Amino acid sequence: DTEVTQTPKHLVMGMTNKKSLKCEQHMGHRAMYWYKQKAKKPPELMFVYSYEKLSINESVPSRFSPECPNSSLLNLHLHALQPEDSALYLCASSRLFFSGNTIYFGEGSWLTVV
Amino acid sequence: GQQLNQSPQSMFIQEGEDVSMNCTSSSIFNTWLWYKQEPGEGPVLLIALYKAGELTSNGRLTAQFGITRKDSFLNISASIPSDVGIYFCAGQPPSGTYKYIFGTGTRLKVLA
Repeated sequence: DTEVTQTPKHLVMGMTNKKSLKCEQHMGHRAMYWYKQKAKKPPELMFVYSYEKLSINESVPSRFSPECPNSSLLNLHLHALQPEDSALYLCASSRLFFSGNTIYFGEGSWLTVV
Repeated sequence: GQQLNQSPQSMFIQEGEDVSMNCTSSSIFNTWLWYKQEPGEGPVLLIALYKAGELTSNGRLTAQFGITRKDSFLNISASIPSDVGIYFCAGQPPSGTYKYIFGTGTRLKVLA
């Protein structure tokens, strides 16, 4: 079972709102990722958590705040977003964050900022 | 960020035809992953390749890890309408941060 579950599937938020995207996996993976994907473009890495610790932040603006409460859960807190932040946000996981790791994606959360 | 050269950019084919696409780079990679993404969905892993020269199949799909480690190929045989989607390759460099670099995608449309 290679399933990464993301909620909500769709989110519309105003620029002054605070919202969160949630991700869950029960594969025992110890690495979890957030990617951002614009239409017709490949996914762009935002954050990597390894063993619940932030390993990589790809210079993402502070209006995006990741959180990894435990090894199965990953959140992305959103605050004061801009319309250009509208995109598909993908959560992913892999057994480890290491050479040869295989990444499994969730179905994504469609975010629209109005 | 850095991206892999993936070609062709798009393909329109007739049902039943075979399809070939590839990813190339000037740098070597340790691992190649191939994904398919349908509209409104996340990428689904099709095939993972872990060593140079490796040839792996998944049903009608076959992928190869190039012997130079700088490229990878994906073939789809006897295409069907549900093969429609965007196919992405992703390569992991041998050193550094273990981050994957994604190809620009091949958009496949199958005409019945």
